Parts: sequence; structure tokens; C-alpha cells
Amino acid sequence: EVQLVESGGGLVQPGGSLRLSCAASGFIFSNYNMNWARQAPGKGLEWVSYISNTGSTTNYADSVKGRFTISRDNAKNSLYLQMNTLRDEDTAVYYCARDDYSSGWSKFDPWGQGTLVTVSS
Amino acid sequence: DIQMTQSPSSLFASVGDRVTITCRASHNINNFLNWYQQRPGKAPKVLVYAASNLQSGVPSRFSGSGSGTDFTLTISSLQPEDFATYYCQQSYSTLSSFGGGTKVEIK
Repeated sequence: EVQLVESGGGLVQPGGSLRLSCAASGFIFSNYNMNWARQAPGKGLEWVSYISNTGSTTNYADSVKGRFTISRDNAKNSLYLQMNTLRDEDTAVYYCARDDYSSGWSKFDPWGQGTLVTVSS
Repeated sequence: DIQMTQSPSSLFASVGDRVTITCRASHNINNFLNWYQQRPGKAPKVLVYAASNLQSGVPSRFSGSGSGTDFTLTISSLQPEDFATYYCQQSYSTLSSFGGGTKVEIK
């Protein structure tokens, strides 16, 4: 079964740092590009970051550029999101999602269950 | 960056109704458009990819259409399990983006 499991969320003070992890199983992780997306409480989905299958290419939403860093360890089947200089507005459930190109078209499938990050003093 | 605009932001409908949700892209994205369903407390799941292709396992009452900048998700006969929030997403760029969502509520 293809599965993504996020961890590392929690309560952090403004200006603090947190590192999220996403453990992948059930597929060849190194063959797939990966993404992080987030959802603030009661709000819609926001794409956060992208990383290519080799890790050579990364992209970020303007809202997190310069503060967040996406990375991966293909030997460990793991995706990461290092979040620095956190702000109140970064409070959200963070999801990792596989970029599934099996049909020849990119779509986010599957998604993990999400991990909650709360930025508050 | 490509902005995605969905309408309406919410709607009320009854079981058996035909429901249509629209999504507009700020730039031509050809048919690089996906639709997702999200139920409360759950992760999103893909319904339609490449504008009009039904994801495996998704009921045939769901359909997508459009190309360029204007897209539509249609539910032909709303079922109780379809009350949820729906999002469009452009996959034209690796800098992806989502629409604001459409919440389908029970009338």
C-alpha cells in the first residue's frame, strides 16, 4: 500500500524553528517528485514547496521563500521541511503529497494524513 | 505565478441535484488542471486530473471539462457522501497553486 506519514509538528514560538518529516512506503520513493502543502485552520489549501526526485530542483511559495527548506533522503525514503523564522500565519496542518505522473499528467496522489504546526507565544 | 479562482465559495444543494463548480486560471494552463475533494478532518483526494480524466475508483457522477483558463467540475446527481469541499489545482508549473475551495453543503 502506498503510504505517506508526516511527523514533527507541534507548538513553537514565533521566530522559532521546526523540522517536519514525511516517511514514504509502498512505492519507489526515488522515482517521484514530492510536495508540501498546508492548510490554516478553517482555510483552503496552499501549496508550499516542491522537490524533484533527485533533489536537484526545488521550488517555494513566495510566502515561505527564504525561511523554509525542502529536502529528501532517498536512501531513507523520507521527505523533510525545515521551517525557520516561523510566524503566526504559518500555523496550519502540513501535508506531504506525492507528485504522481503515472498517467502522464501530474497530480498530487496520495497525500499524508497531515501534521499540525502551531506558532504561538 | 498562476492564480486560481473558484466559484462559488459555497453552495447549498440537495441529494440528487446537479452541481457545477467553476475554476479560472490567471494564465493559459492548457489542461493541466486537477480537482480534489476534501472531507472534514481528512486529507484531500484527487477526483479528476488533466481537466477531464476521472481518477481510478472515482464514481462516474463526477466529471471535469475545460481547457486554457476556464474549467468546470460537475456532479451529475449529488449523493450524501459528496458533501465536502472541492479544490482545483494547476499542475502547469512546478510552482503549483490551488483555488480557494468550494464548500458543498446540505440544503
